[in-house]
Amino acid sequence: AQSVTQLDSQVPVFEEAPVELRCNYSSSVSVYLFWYVQYPNQGLQLLLKYLSGSTLVKGINGFEAEFNKSQTSFHLRKPSVHISDTAEYFCAVTPASGGSYIPTFGRGTSLIVHP
Amino acid sequence: EAGVTQFPSHSVIEKGQTVTLRCDPISGHDNLYWYRRVMGKEIKFLLHFVKESKQDESGMPNNRFLAERTGGTYSTLKVQPAELEDSGVYFCASSQDRTLYGYTFGSGTRLTVV
Repeated sequence: AQSVTQLDSQVPVFEEAPVELRCNYSSSVSVYLFWYVQYPNQGLQLLLKYLSGSTLVKGINGFEAEFNKSQTSFHLRKPSVHISDTAEYFCAVTPASGGSYIPTFGRGTSLIVHP
Repeated sequence: EAGVTQFPSHSVIEKGQTVTLRCDPISGHDNLYWYRRVMGKEIKFLLHFVKESKQDESGMPNNRFLAERTGGTYSTLKVQPAELEDSGVYFCASSQDRTLYGYTFGSGTRLTVV
């Protein structure tokens, strides 16, 4: 079984400042890792994913995340945020093998960008 | 292509009443999933359809929840009778394959039971 911990329920930040949203996971098997974003009144959109290869993954809207196997983390970063980045962000994992691809999500982090 | 459509977007019902949520997946997507997020908590898996068959319903909380997928097209999730703890946002997602990065999510139905 897998579990995902998003330590911060809310992250307030000023526009143009850098931001990091933290995600840690626990799993007894290899995993694929994802970040999803939910803008107000919209569905979840895939922001980026780590399947294999380079541990630094770049996604849409200038976001990137780094997979750290030893620390079992997959933190999301953006060097300079915009007001439009205000949204809820979800980290998720799925087993990389074994047939069951049902994801485990974290509780979400609400990013609030102030002008 | 049209996305995943869910309706209603909001529903407020009294405890003991029945509510039916509907999800229209992307045309051609055989896989359809239902998830639920209770306020401030994780998005939890409810069940997975492959075409009209229930592939995995291990996340369904109890027998007050009934999901159907007629003819492998749209799906409904009925809650009968609704309880206060059923409040939350119900998401539907569809995909051609079974990997999370192939999912397209709907915007969800916010259910409030009072």
